[in-house]
Amino acid sequence: DAGVIQSPRHEVTEMGQEVTLRCKPISGHNSLFWYRQTMMRGLELLIYFNNNVPIDDSGMPEDRFSAKMPNASFSTLKIQPSEPRDSAVYFCASSLNPNQPQHFGDGTRLSIL
Amino acid sequence: DQQVKQNSPSLSVQEGRISILNCDYTNSMFDYFLWYKKYPAEGPTFLISISSIKDKNEDGRFTVFLNKSAKHLSLHIVPSQPGDSAVYFCAVHGSGNTGKLIFGQGTTLQVKP
Repeated sequence: DAGVIQSPRHEVTEMGQEVTLRCKPISGHNSLFWYRQTMMRGLELLIYFNNNVPIDDSGMPEDRFSAKMPNASFSTLKIQPSEPRDSAVYFCASSLNPNQPQHFGDGTRLSIL
Repeated sequence: DQQVKQNSPSLSVQEGRISILNCDYTNSMFDYFLWYKKYPAEGPTFLISISSIKDKNEDGRFTVFLNKSAKHLSLHIVPSQPGDSAVYFCAVHGSGNTGKLIFGQGTTLQVKP
């Protein structure tokens, strides 16, 4: 069974550059979640989609962050322009519906220099 | 303002003994609770959950206990094995029947052979 697939696994880029993180959820899952993990704030939800529609984006830190889900099998999280404080591990997760356990990808470790 | 707290950053136990991980939450409206396990460089993996209508749920070596009056849940692992060494996160579903998961800061469990 293919789990949640995230790419890239690691990204190092310079401040001001655009960063795009990608996620392929588990086939048949209708809910998709983007999380960020930092030492200071732990694991926090950024945004989640249900049936490709954004439901709760209250965790998106600022306008530099945007997320899309053009179809049921793909989502992107974009940061433009990136800043050093965006350095973190970003996880994508999916579930059958919003109230079922979420299955996580292995994350993208992002470093902004 | 942490809504979910895991007050012990780390725990060390001997192989074969019981591991008890604790979690406290602040909002009595939370109604679904989960435990995730995380190995380095991997995403969190769902372990076990419990609904607020129950006070205990068991799955093999893992048991979760819920004390609603104290707003406290715990995860018991018996017997502990070296492969259980990982970071354990407690998570709760946010109020309002949303898909939002609120995570604790995690407890690092080390099981010594």
